[in-house]
Amino acid sequence: EDKVVQSPLSLVVHEGDTVTLNCSYEVTNFRSLLWYKQEKKAPTFLFMLTSSGIEKKSGRLSSILDKKELFSILNITATQTGDSAIYLCAVEAGNTDKLIFGTGTRLQVFP
Amino acid sequence: EAQVTQNPRYLITVTGKKLTVTCSQNMNHEYMSWYRQDPGLGLRQIYYSMNVEVTDKGDVPEGYKVSRKEKRNFPLILESPSPNQTSLYFCASSPTGMRGEKLFFGSGTQLSVL
Repeated sequence: EDKVVQSPLSLVVHEGDTVTLNCSYEVTNFRSLLWYKQEKKAPTFLFMLTSSGIEKKSGRLSSILDKKELFSILNITATQTGDSAIYLCAVEAGNTDKLIFGTGTRLQVFP
Repeated sequence: EAQVTQNPRYLITVTGKKLTVTCSQNMNHEYMSWYRQDPGLGLRQIYYSMNVEVTDKGDVPEGYKVSRKEKRNFPLILESPSPNQTSLYFCASSPTGMRGEKLFFGSGTQLSVL
């Protein structure tokens, strides 16, 4: 059965800290891995990763994929209170039209 | 403004009373999907539609129905809601097929079934 596992489930840090969020997967016919940020309600797209070892970066956020070890990490440097959210990892399987989501990591950043 | 609109945002109902959650998108997207989000379980797909008049079951379709008579609308129907359908529901759409990087989500509907 296809599955996506995220860790930790929850993380509490102070502003300025650096955090690493983990996502591992077991999916047949892997096509891509995606990260979303969910603040109040609707998830919003952050990154899509398809190739191993190529870092995607946007400001203080960056992500990388390891297709051999079947995992991805999302790094946030110099965290701010606005980074507080649930971060969702999802994997697209190439032979279906489905997106398989992990349970998410809840990040809380305090001043 | 490009958007996916869900209504209502919040709904409290009782067991067995039929309800419909509407979803409409204004981007001429072909693909639409419904998810439910529960603590500890993440988002799980209920139904999806590749285009008008084409719908398919997702991972948790039991107790739900959908229809896709028009491209813009994809309502979710609970014929006889039960307490285990209490959840946060999201509708989403993307241009052609399921493309995660182009998936637009609605703002969500928080449903409570008593």
